Amino acid sequence: SQWGEENLQALSIQEGEDVTMNCSYKTYTTVVQWYRQKSGKGPAQLILIRSNEREKRSGRLRATLDTSSQSSSLSITGTLATDTAVYFCATRGTGGYKVVFGSGTRLLVSP
Amino acid sequence: ETAVFQTPNYHVTQVGNEVSFNCKQTLGHDTMYWYKQDSKKLLKIMFSYNNKQLIVNETVPRRFSPQSSDKAHLNLRIKSVEPEDSAVYLCASRHRGVSAETLYFGSGTRLTVL
Repeated sequence: SQWGEENLQALSIQEGEDVTMNCSYKTYTTVVQWYRQKSGKGPAQLILIRSNEREKRSGRLRATLDTSSQSSSLSITGTLATDTAVYFCATRGTGGYKVVFGSGTRLLVSP
Repeated sequence: ETAVFQTPNYHVTQVGNEVSFNCKQTLGHDTMYWYKQDSKKLLKIMFSYNNKQLIVNETVPRRFSPQSSDKAHLNLRIKSVEPEDSAVYLCASRHRGVSAETLYFGSGTRLTVL
């Protein structure tokens, strides 16, 4: 699970396995975004889920959002070595313009 | 396709020097950000500008100052660098609007302070 000042989480799996990463956020939000950051690049958005959606799918990705527990998850099915990256959840902070990122999960997918 | 451009990619400097990083976005967005990413990959927001106006100013040391000439450019100046400033500085942009959530990031500038 990721948020705030927690250390970067690390997961190591084999190609083809499924994986789920969790995120707990502290303040109320209507939107959770998931980003992926590959080595040497900036984060890129993978999927966005709103508070009126409990689940959202995009290809091999599935995001869930539980506003009552203030948590979200990102699942990747049939992982590939190219899924190796750091994954962040992000929520909108107070005032609307701030986008606050969780501490991240480093995923290593071995071929 | 990269649409947020940052220069330089890397910069090595000595304590006390002044550095300046550039960021340009070609997406036509109104809002731009600077984030600092430390060695543990923690991403912390530093500043945000909307249409050349500062709208988010987190608690960062006063030696950091953002500079915006127009809504497509947001530069970052560090007046007198300290060792703890070593990090990757990421610029991002976002379209203004309630439903426009996505941040588009550049590849970052890695700063090393000796």
